[in-house]
Amino acid sequence: EAGVAQSPRYKIIEKRQSVAFWCNPISGHATLYWYQQILGQGPKLLIQFQNNGVVDDSQLPKDRFSAERLKGVDSTLKIQPAKLEDSAVYLCASSWNSGGGGGTQYFGPGTRLTVL
Amino acid sequence: GIQVEQSPPDLILQEGANSTLRCNFSDSVNNLQWFHQNPWGQLINLFYIPSGTKQNGRLSATTVATERYSLLYISSSQTTDSGVYFCAVELGGTSYGKLTFGQGTILTVHP
Repeated sequence: EAGVAQSPRYKIIEKRQSVAFWCNPISGHATLYWYQQILGQGPKLLIQFQNNGVVDDSQLPKDRFSAERLKGVDSTLKIQPAKLEDSAVYLCASSWNSGGGGGTQYFGPGTRLTVL
Repeated sequence: GIQVEQSPPDLILQEGANSTLRCNFSDSVNNLQWFHQNPWGQLINLFYIPSGTKQNGRLSATTVATERYSLLYISSSQTTDSGVYFCAVELGGTSYGKLTFGQGTILTVHP
């Protein structure tokens, strides 16, 4: 079974530029998550999708971050414009949601973003 | 929000030693997961353990939900065990699926 796929693996941009990340979850997983992991910290949830609907985006900085999950499969996360403090690893995860809980989350390899 | 505290923050071992990592959480949780983040940044599931004890090879985990803590045991450590160990908790109700991570324990195993 293929794992969670993410691209690109690395990205370097100047501040105020825009950037987009892509994620393809494990086949059959209804729930998809985007996390931000700043160096030295644990991951922090940005947004959670159930199929193609948003379940939780309370920690997403909506003035500059946006995410979508068209057709309930793969997803993109965009930052526009980027700030220096957005430098982090962006992790995508997916889970098979049985309805009684979120289920085990499986993580992709992440995209390491550096904003100069 | 819920607080998740891990200890110790850093741990240095010689190969073959045993260790115990602890995770305390401040509220009742629906679930708890342990992860290993390897030096390349990949987060790998170790255990999905809301309560009780589970074992997988040299690793085992115990969660005592009523006392709000979980322990991860690593026996006969190997250099490949090096990395950061995270526990993450999931609240119930409308927060299902939302994981809150601790700050992690950095483990270094020397040959």
